Amino acid sequence: NAGVTQTPKFQVLKTGQSMTLQCAQDMNHNSMYWYRQDPGMGLRLIYYSASEGTTDKGEVPNGYNVSRLNKREFSLRLESAAPSQTSVYFCASSGSSGRRDEQFFGPGTRLTVL
Amino acid sequence: AQSVTQPDIHITVSEGASLELRCNYSYGATPYLFWYVQSPGQGLQLLLKYFSGDTLVQGIKGFEAEFKRSQSSFNLRKPSVHWSDAAEYFCAATGGGNKLTFGTGTQLKVEL
Repeated sequence: NAGVTQTPKFQVLKTGQSMTLQCAQDMNHNSMYWYRQDPGMGLRLIYYSASEGTTDKGEVPNGYNVSRLNKREFSLRLESAAPSQTSVYFCASSGSSGRRDEQFFGPGTRLTVL
Repeated sequence: AQSVTQPDIHITVSEGASLELRCNYSYGATPYLFWYVQSPGQGLQLLLKYFSGDTLVQGIKGFEAEFKRSQSSFNLRKPSVHWSDAAEYFCAATGGGNKLTFGTGTQLKVEL
């Protein structure tokens, strides 16, 4: 039982390049989330998926797109990377969209945009 | 606007000393409250959570937190800190649905 896994762990991009961050969970969770973590700002929600087939914007969605490929996988895409997107990205999942449910976090992807 | 505030960016304590990390929230109604810990290079791990009922909540690794409605606070405590507790601690809250709002975090350093 691996929990929440993310790939890659590290990535360096040039401005304007695109990439997709992958996330998978093996806990049969319905809800999945993408956050970014920046120094002094805590974690901020980018997008989330309350259930398979649905996605919604979070606090900072601009410059990102997401795909809920199936119940297990939730990917985050940067179409044209910008230096402001340099951050650590965390994927999380929870059993349902109810607020009682604990969110389980992956180990993160450290992205640098030059 | 809903918000979570952690007033202390850095805290240093000696091993064996007691610890209290502060968290204040601003929500229209009592939110659900969480404390997470992040070790260097790792994801976040849930320490404890408060939904309702007893205002003193016990968590993992010997941590506890007390909900005080009158002060809009949910402070994290530990009676005796271990060197392995050095990490970053995040308070988080949700008022509805599943959108967590995080505080900016408190970096804990433990002196041996």
